[in-house]
Amino acid sequence: QVQLVQSGAEMRKPGASVKVSCKASGYTFIGYYIHWMRQAPGQGLAWMGRMNPNSGDTDYSQTFQGRVTMTRDTSVNTAYMDLARLTSDDTAVYYCATSRIGDAFDIWGQGTVITVSS
Amino acid sequence: QSVLTQPPSVSGAPGQRVTISCTGSNSNIGAGYDVHWYQQLPGTAPKLLIYLNTNRPSGVPDRFSASKSGTSASLAITGLQAEDEGDYYCQSYDTSLSGSVVFGGGTKLTVL
Repeated sequence: QVQLVQSGAEMRKPGASVKVSCKASGYTFIGYYIHWMRQAPGQGLAWMGRMNPNSGDTDYSQTFQGRVTMTRDTSVNTAYMDLARLTSDDTAVYYCATSRIGDAFDIWGQGTVITVSS
Repeated sequence: QSVLTQPPSVSGAPGQRVTISCTGSNSNIGAGYDVHWYQQLPGTAPKLLIYLNTNRPSGVPDRFSASKSGTSASLAITGLQAEDEGDYYCQSYDTSLSGSVVFGGGTKLTVL
């Protein structure tokens, strides 16, 4: 079964950082980009960036450049997204997804709720 | 302000047909980049509905169709059903943002 399973909800204080994991199964992890998106409460989807799991190369959205780091561990087919210097505006559901058909996101993780509050 | 513009909401009665527009520019849809559509039901992750402008993934009913022309794309849903109620997003690629995936702001579909 092709799926992406994300880590659980997290709560952080302003200024802290958070790391979300995304474990792939059912397909060749290193064969397809992993993308990260987020969705603030009541808002639409925002693309954060992508990582090539084979090479580790990354492309980040200008919005998050300097605060986001995407990495992977190919031994456990898992991608990670680290977001630093959190503010309340970073409160959102964070999704990983893979693009196996062009740049269409055909498989999504279940989402991880990140709450930033003092 | 999203790079791709969608109407905030559309509605229709069961059995009716609705369309959702996605308007871009010459730096994204008009430049020839593909458009994809997603359905997000309440409390769930987005699901790929249409890929590469007009194609349905396996399992998506043929009540869903899409087209692309010029700087715009459109999603059509025929034979509306109650379970279609949710949010719909278009997605493409934009060259004006140092190469970036872009989404529409989303359209909430209400089945009356």
